[in-house]
Amino acid sequence: DAGVIQSPRHEVTEMGQEVTLRCKPISGHNSLFWYRQTMMRGLELLIYFNNNVPIDDSGMPEDRFSAKMPNASFSTLKIQPSEPRDSAVYFCASSANRGSTMGYTFGSGTRLTVV
Amino acid sequence: KQEVTQIPAALSVPEGENLVLNCSFTDSAIYNLQWFRQDPGKGLTSLLLIQSSQREQTSGRLNASLDKSSGRSTLYIAASQPGDSATYLCAVMQADPKSTFGDGTTLTVKP
Repeated sequence: DAGVIQSPRHEVTEMGQEVTLRCKPISGHNSLFWYRQTMMRGLELLIYFNNNVPIDDSGMPEDRFSAKMPNASFSTLKIQPSEPRDSAVYFCASSANRGSTMGYTFGSGTRLTVV
Repeated sequence: KQEVTQIPAALSVPEGENLVLNCSFTDSAIYNLQWFRQDPGKGLTSLLLIQSSQREQTSGRLNASLDKSSGRSTLYIAASQPGDSATYLCAVMQADPKSTFGDGTTLTVKP
């Protein structure tokens, strides 16, 4: 398996523009997580899905952020409109629901810079 | 609410030294605990996962232990090498699949 695949690896955009981050989880994993990492706040959980259904989006900063998982092999995180404070590394992770044996596998991340 | 603490935040050791990284958590009702490594500008790589019923896991020079009753886990690195320099994070998973992450310990191994 190629692991969790995220695209793009880097994104530079102007304030006010729409940004879409993409994630392909590991085949067979039925939980998917979006995280944001900054120096100031560390790793923050934004939202997670189980069997394509959003379970907890309490970490989504505000209405400018939205996430979808239309099928088991694809998820998007959208920011509209983007702001400089959204600059961070965004990670996607997936796991399989196998009780206590399940662990996370992370993608390589998308480094977002909003200027 | 689960809280995960990693102390120290940074650690610098000479090459060849054995070292221990610490992770403490406040709620002992956990499913598992996972240790990750993160290199600068990179993603998180899973090192070891300890299930709640286990006491330790080993992989090469790494050994992770878990003491649920005291809310502690340690990551032992034997014979450290400069290539071990990275940030090490622990993550505690509870009943739902969400994990709570510590802020990490940044390790520097000097040649």
